[in-house]
Amino acid sequence: DAMVIQNPRYQVTQFGKPVTLSCSQTLNHNVMYWYQQKSSQAPKLLFHYYDKDFNNEADTPDNFQSRRPNTSFCFLDIRSPGLGDAAMYLCATSRDSTEVDEQYFGPGTRLTVT
Amino acid sequence: GQQVMQIPQYQHVQEGEDFTTYCNSSTTLSNIQWYKQRPGGHPVFLIQLVKSGEVKKQKRLTFQFGEAKKNSSLHITATQTTDVGTYFCAGDTNAGKSTFGDGTTLTVKP
Repeated sequence: DAMVIQNPRYQVTQFGKPVTLSCSQTLNHNVMYWYQQKSSQAPKLLFHYYDKDFNNEADTPDNFQSRRPNTSFCFLDIRSPGLGDAAMYLCATSRDSTEVDEQYFGPGTRLTVT
Repeated sequence: GQQVMQIPQYQHVQEGEDFTTYCNSSTTLSNIQWYKQRPGGHPVFLIQLVKSGEVKKQKRLTFQFGEAKKNSSLHITATQTTDVGTYFCAGDTNAGKSTFGDGTTLTVKP
C-alpha cells in the first residue's frame, strides 16, 4: 500500500514554464519535506512543513515555492524552471520533527526541462 | 553550517567480501539515520541510532554510533548482489531537519 504518493512520476516542462509537483500521504504525519536530488548526489532539502508551519532552507532559490493545503497534500511549485532545475524531486514525511524521526520517501518525480 | 561527510564515495567489492561506509559530522548529532537507495529508486529507511555508542544489527548489517555522537558506520558482512545501491547517512543536529551525507555507492561483483 502506497504511503507517500507523488504525481506525476515524470514531468517534462519548458524553460520558464511554471510547473507543479504534488505529494500526498496516507500516514497522517505532521511533517512533509521536499528534496531535490541530482544525479549521483545526495538529496538536498529545499523546505519542510511542520503541520502548517513552513520552514525554508536558506539556500533554496525563490523560484521554488510550496503549499500545504491540508495534512495529506503538499505541492512544490517551480515558478520559472531553468535547465539547472532538472532533477528528481523527492517528497518525504515524518511523524514529528522536534527530533527527526524516520522519513518515508515517495517514489519521486523526475523533472526534465527542455 | 552543519556538514556531514561520508566515505568512501564508491566501493567495489567481490560478492562475499565485507563493506563499510563511514559518516562524520562537524557537529554533535542528536541522532543519525541510514538509508539505502537502489539504482533508479528512492531512499528507503534502514535504521536510526540515538544513543552514544549504540550498536544495532539487522542480519548482515551492523550500525554503530560513536561515543561522541559525531560519527557513525554501517558494516555489511559477506555482501550479496542484492546489497548494491547507495547508502546515505542523515544526521540531525537542529530540530526539524537532517543533513544527508553524499552517500557511498556500493557495487558487488558476482
